[in-house]
Amino acid sequence: KAGVTQTPRYLIKTRGQQVTLSCSPISGHRSVSWYQQTPGQGLQFLFEYFSETQRNKGNFPGRFSGRQFSNSRSEMNVSTLELGDSALYLCASSPTGGSLEAFFGQGTRLTVV
Amino acid sequence: AQSVTQLDSQVPVFEEAPVELRCNYSSSVSVYLFWYVQYPNQGLQLLLKYLSGSTLVESINGFEAEFNKSQTSFHLRKPSVHISDTAEYFCAVSEKAGGTSYGKLTFGQGTILTVHP
Repeated sequence: KAGVTQTPRYLIKTRGQQVTLSCSPISGHRSVSWYQQTPGQGLQFLFEYFSETQRNKGNFPGRFSGRQFSNSRSEMNVSTLELGDSALYLCASSPTGGSLEAFFGQGTRLTVV
Repeated sequence: AQSVTQLDSQVPVFEEAPVELRCNYSSSVSVYLFWYVQYPNQGLQLLLKYLSGSTLVESINGFEAEFNKSQTSFHLRKPSVHISDTAEYFCAVSEKAGGTSYGKLTFGQGTILTVHP
């Protein structure tokens, strides 16, 4: 069974640009959550999608958005990039939502220059 | 809201020595508790979790953690560590099902465990 796949693994963007990150969950999983990991702030919850609906949202500005498609794949978009958005973005999938069976991908390392 | 405090940012130990990584949490509601491990340039892997029942939970690779409700702690222990246990360990909590934040994991700041030969 394939794990959670995040693409791309590495990304370099310039301040002011926008970026889209992709997450393909484990087959059959309907929930996808996104987390931002930085040395200063640690791991912070961004949002969770279940069956194409956002069910939970963390305390991030509106520049951070996401969506989920009918096949459960999810994308996360960050507009007007700032230097502080440089981070490892992790995606986790679970069968029915919730945290009990969350499987994490390897992450996308975003560097904003 | 929940918060998690990992009391040690770095823990160096020698191979075959015991280790304890400390975790305390704060929450106004009942929570589930987790330990995750992260190897360099990798995502998070679930090490063990406490949902209910026995307060002592074990992982397949020799780690164990004990839920202490009165002290709101969930410390991770291993009686004898290996070089391969070198990694960063994260304690996390989430609200139990039915809560408004169910599905959201709140993490501690992480503890870097370094095992020396």
